[in-house]
This record gives sequence, C-alpha cells and structure tokens, in this order.
Amino acid sequence: AQSVTQLDSQVPVFEEAPVELRCNYSSSVSVYLFWYVQYPNQGLQLLLKYLSGSTLVKGINGFEAEFNKSQTSFHLRKPSVHISDTAEYFCAVLGAGGTSYGKLTFGQGTILTVHP
Amino acid sequence: GAGVSQSPSNKVTEKGKDVELRCDPISGHTALYWYRQRLGQGLEFLIYFQGNSAPDKSGLPSDRFSAERTGESVSTLTIQRTQQEDSAVYLCASRGRGSSYNSPLHFGNGTRLTVT
Repeated sequence: AQSVTQLDSQVPVFEEAPVELRCNYSSSVSVYLFWYVQYPNQGLQLLLKYLSGSTLVKGINGFEAEFNKSQTSFHLRKPSVHISDTAEYFCAVLGAGGTSYGKLTFGQGTILTVHP
Repeated sequence: GAGVSQSPSNKVTEKGKDVELRCDPISGHTALYWYRQRLGQGLEFLIYFQGNSAPDKSGLPSDRFSAERTGESVSTLTIQRTQQEDSAVYLCASRGRGSSYNSPLHFGNGTRLTVT
C-alpha cells in the first residue's frame, strides 16, 4: 500500500517571497515521485518528477524539489514566487513494484495563493 | 495533437439516475486512469487500464461504479443509482505506448458531476 500526505492544505505567501510545499509519502516498495500543478480552470499538468539519480530535481517555472529517502519526503520549493504561481499543487507517488506497480497515488493538494 | 478529451464537461443528474462519463485518451496511449476529485479533497484513484484490461480496480468505491475500455481507445465510467456523495470532478489521464510506465500522465479537464 502507498499513501501521500501533503501537510498544508493552503499556503498564502506574498509575491517574491520563497515558498515550500511539503509532501511526505509512505510505501512498502520503491517509488517514483511527481509534482503536478492545476491552475484555475485548467487541467493537471506535470511540474517535475524524480525517477532516479540526483535527488534535487528542477521543473518548470523555477520550481525544484528534493527527494529525501530517509525522511520519505519530496518537498517542493521556489525561491521567489509570482502571482501567476497561484494554483493547486499535487504531490504523487508511483509504485515501482508489488501491488502498487503502475498505481499513481495523489496527495490531497496544497492551494498556493500568492498575494501582491 | 489533441489532448485527453472528456465528455460531458458538466453533468447534473437527479439522485438515483445512472450516468456515463466518457474519456478519449490521446491516440495511441495504452494506459488510462480514472480519478475522482471531491470538493476540497485530493485525487482519489478509481481504476487503471492497460490496453483494455484493468489490472487495478481497487479504487472503485462501490459496485455502483464500473468502467470499460474498448481496445486502446475510449473508456467509459458508469455510475448507477447516483448518490449525492458521488458529486465530484471525474478526471481521466493517459500515458503513451512505448513510454516507460513511470512517464508522466496527460490529464483531461474532467467531468464535473453534480447529483441533486
């Protein structure tokens, strides 16, 4: 079984401030990790992914995330946010084996609101 | 090319009626997923197709829910005897032939179902 917990349901922040959206996961097998973003009135789109290799991954729009296996975390960060980053962000894990193979499990989502 | 297409985009139905939601994946995409997103909640996995077989049906909430897929194309999600708690956005996603199974999913814009 696998699960994803996004620790903050809402994160308000001022423009040009740094932001971190937290994600922790639980799985009995190895996983691949993703962040998806859903802008208002749009569908989900991929922000970044961790498959293997360097634990720091960079995505679109200046976002990055760090995979920490010991802490089972995959937190998303951006050093300076823009108004246009206002959206809902979803962390997701994909099981690499066992009964979780091929199953993509999402967290509850974090609504990021950037204020001017 | 065209993305994942879902229809209808909005559906209002009376409690107790049956509904059918349709997903047209990107042409050639072999893997297809259905998720449910209730208001204020994350994405809830429903079912996953590889071709026209469903290796994982574990997320279907009850026997009122069923899904079919014809070949590697259209999928329909049917909800019988709808209940108010079925109100949600139903999202479909697909992944391409030849893509590794850890490739990102392409999402449709969803069907917003309201049961009155």
